[in-house]
Amino acid sequence: DGGITQSPKYLFRKEGQNVTLSCEQNLNHDAMYWYRQDPGQGLRLIYYSQIVNDFQKGDIAEGYSVSREKKESFPLTVTSAQKNPTAFYLCASSGTSGRLYNEQFFGPGTRLTVL
Amino acid sequence: GNSVTQMEGPVTLSEEAFLTINCTYTATGYPSLFWYVQYPGEGLQLLLKATKADDKGSNKGFEATYRKETTSFHLEKGSVQVSDSAVYFCALGASSASKIIFGSGTRLSIRP
Repeated sequence: DGGITQSPKYLFRKEGQNVTLSCEQNLNHDAMYWYRQDPGQGLRLIYYSQIVNDFQKGDIAEGYSVSREKKESFPLTVTSAQKNPTAFYLCASSGTSGRLYNEQFFGPGTRLTVL
Repeated sequence: GNSVTQMEGPVTLSEEAFLTINCTYTATGYPSLFWYVQYPGEGLQLLLKATKADDKGSNKGFEATYRKETTSFHLEKGSVQVSDSAVYFCALGASSASKIIFGSGTRLSIRP
């Protein structure tokens, strides 16, 4: 089955540590995205990538980093510079066919808690 | 710029009630419009979509019509069920970039 996987589902981190969240897709999509969601809030875009080896900052990129070495993978690193990292992180992808170019498919999310 | 404004929640209804969640947008050109649903602890799922004016998207009893004259894409369902309890996001696909603009979400709770 095609889809997006995120791991782990729950992640705990001590303050001052970097942590990497995994996102893999087998939909052959060119574009991938990372969003942050806080309780009772909407989605905020962290980073996105439209093609391998290229990515752009979203609205809240400070304290985060990404890489896009393979089409199917877009890992997100939450660094110690992120002051309030506890949140629910969602990965998404989208293809490039016609007017459905912007339709995004989401993974199940990773809940990060900083202890 | 592009933006989406949706009805603030929470919305609480009794089972079998009629549902409307309002969504209006601002955009240049001809965006695609989406409704996503998020069940507790899960990612977002595409519920329905419309890509041009007067298109009606429908799925699982939910409907929304792309109204360009009123720049709206209201979500409706004739008879809600407890299992419809979730957060609903209206979204706009910007034709000029590979991004989606999401509304702030509306939490829906259905009482048995």
